[in-house]
Amino acid sequence: KAGVTQTPRYLIKTRGQQVTLSCSPISGHRSVSWYQQTPGQGLQFLFEYFSETQRNKGNFPGRFSGRQFSNSRSEMNVSTLELGDSALYLCASSRSPGTGVYEQYFGPGTRLTVT
Amino acid sequence: GQQLNQSPQSMFIQEGEDVSMNCTSSSIFNTWLWYKQEPGEGPVLLIALYKAGELTSNGRLTAQFGITRKDSFLNISASIPSDVGIYFCAGPGGTSYGKLTFGQGTILTVHP
Repeated sequence: KAGVTQTPRYLIKTRGQQVTLSCSPISGHRSVSWYQQTPGQGLQFLFEYFSETQRNKGNFPGRFSGRQFSNSRSEMNVSTLELGDSALYLCASSRSPGTGVYEQYFGPGTRLTVT
Repeated sequence: GQQLNQSPQSMFIQEGEDVSMNCTSSSIFNTWLWYKQEPGEGPVLLIALYKAGELTSNGRLTAQFGITRKDSFLNISASIPSDVGIYFCAGPGGTSYGKLTFGQGTILTVHP
């Protein structure tokens, strides 16, 4: 079974631009969560989608948004990029949220550099 | 909010040695997950624990769910160079869907 895939793997953007990152979950997984990883803050939860609905959101500004499609693929968007948005963005999928199973499987991440 | 504290922050060991690390929380967790992350990659799930007192193994790795539900332990026996990486503990963020709270990680370096 193929794992979680994320595209692109690396991205360099300029301050003020916007960026869209893509995530394809493991086949059969319907929940997709996004995390930001930085050396200073560690792994921080951004948001979670299930059945095309955002069910949970972390403490990030409104510049960070996402969506999920009917095939469970997800995208996240960051508008008006700031230098501090430079990070590894990780997507994770899980099988059946709400059944007491909390295991999440991560993709390789997208390394975003803002200059 | 919930916080997980991992210790030690880093370890430098010789190949063949055993490794122990732990994770503590100020609040009760119903699930403990242990991940390993290598440079340039996403975290890989090593072990999932769902019951207080549970002891689970995955090859040379053994993890335990503390009986107080506020801690968990990971042991690696007979370490090898490919054990190098950052080990994270994680748990579900309360009743919030899809959110895992992560510890700050333990950086493991293994000298051949």
